[in-house]
Amino acid sequence: SQQGEEDPQALSIQEGENATMNCSYKTSINNLQWYRQNSGRGLVHLILIRSNEREKHSGRLRVTLDTSKKSSSLLITASRAADTASYFCATDARGDDKIIFGKGTRLHILP
Amino acid sequence: SAVISQKPSRDICQRGTSLTIQCQVDSQVTMMFWYRQQPGQSLTLIATANQGSEATYESGFVIDKFPISRPNLTFSTLTVSNMSPEDSSIYLCSGQQGRLMNTEAFFGQGTRLTVV
Repeated sequence: SQQGEEDPQALSIQEGENATMNCSYKTSINNLQWYRQNSGRGLVHLILIRSNEREKHSGRLRVTLDTSKKSSSLLITASRAADTASYFCATDARGDDKIIFGKGTRLHILP
Repeated sequence: SAVISQKPSRDICQRGTSLTIQCQVDSQVTMMFWYRQQPGQSLTLIATANQGSEATYESGFVIDKFPISRPNLTFSTLTVSNMSPEDSSIYLCSGQQGRLMNTEAFFGQGTRLTVV
């Protein structure tokens, strides 16, 4: 079953603009992670934020986590063509070892 | 993070046959998982591969259809048995160095399976 739900499902923006993707989840979590997938290949880990953290940065990526609303956002600043990919949030429910993935956002950066 | 080599990267198989997918990790990992991803969809967890014991399957997946082996901490296989066109999908394995709560998961490059 899906734990995370991303929105939007698809997003097209101009190169250089910022892209924001949101994720909501249902149960209490230990951490939340964001992954990128290019064209049906393996997933690449982007960033992990723990349940006691509210914001985390990594290069052009900024992730926020609001456990009271059970939601997270991924912001990609100054987007580039190479950022075109699908982005997934993934959570682990407390007391469980499994990672459950959301439905994903397909991001397309227009030249 | 560790690197997973997954093979084959793709295959076209006849219905009724079976395909075994292998994942080799370059270091020992505590947890390994198998996922299925339909085109344009998210990843669905098939099972947790347990070292030296039977895999733990998610709802909707059974051992007879998807037998899994994990003989040691660096290797696992998934077999898709008695295939039908509905099994056409991308299959991915993942691993984690430690307990889930503090570590990222890393993935093989996936196996694109087409059943004809």
